[in-house]
Amino acid sequence: QKEVEQNSGPLSVPEGAIASLNCTYSDRGSQSFFWYRQYSGKSPELIMSIYSNGDKEDGRFTAQLNKASQYVSLLIRDSQPSDSATYLCAVRGAGANNLFFGTGTRLTVIP
Amino acid sequence: DTAVSQTPKYLVTQMGNDKSIKCEQNLGHDTMYWYKQDSKKFLKIMFSYNNKELIINETVPNRFSPKSPDKAHLNLHINSLELGDSAVYFCASSPRRGGSEKLFFGSGTQLSVL
Repeated sequence: QKEVEQNSGPLSVPEGAIASLNCTYSDRGSQSFFWYRQYSGKSPELIMSIYSNGDKEDGRFTAQLNKASQYVSLLIRDSQPSDSATYLCAVRGAGANNLFFGTGTRLTVIP
Repeated sequence: DTAVSQTPKYLVTQMGNDKSIKCEQNLGHDTMYWYKQDSKKFLKIMFSYNNKELIINETVPNRFSPKSPDKAHLNLHINSLELGDSAVYFCASSPRRGGSEKLFFGSGTQLSVL
């Protein structure tokens, strides 16, 4: 079983809609959770981090964490064509040096 | 100035050859990493160094050998290249190991083994 799992998509949403990206992880002791965005042919860049249960909002992005259910999600409100990218979920376990990535979800925002 | 720079950006080579990828960071970070991203976008850790000390060595063929001459540099040498080594290799750094800080990625090296 992979440490971090994501639906690979592709996920298509119309411009202005809410895009919802989900991620589950296997290590119950995981402490740190991240969402990276990767445009085609580019390197990943961090867009959100979350460490405690609940929601964390930053502009149009909201990260949600539920440690009991071992899932973390990313909501993108008012989706724009420029949000079209692959979104990678990453999880760091307790005391772990390593950051485990999911396979990413490809999002396409249709104008 | 680029924070994490790796060279070359593209590498096309024949099976059996030996090649190196270089990485340098000017952020003053203690920890550097090599990740491999396959065609399905799966990003997998290969190695991590903290202040020149190897701290992560995942299950990687021993044809891959990292070298860290100082904490600002982490190079990757690959012997006897195989078709399955074709991927994008990303170098990354973070301020310290195991922390909650983000990873800063280089622009990647697209390796194609023919």
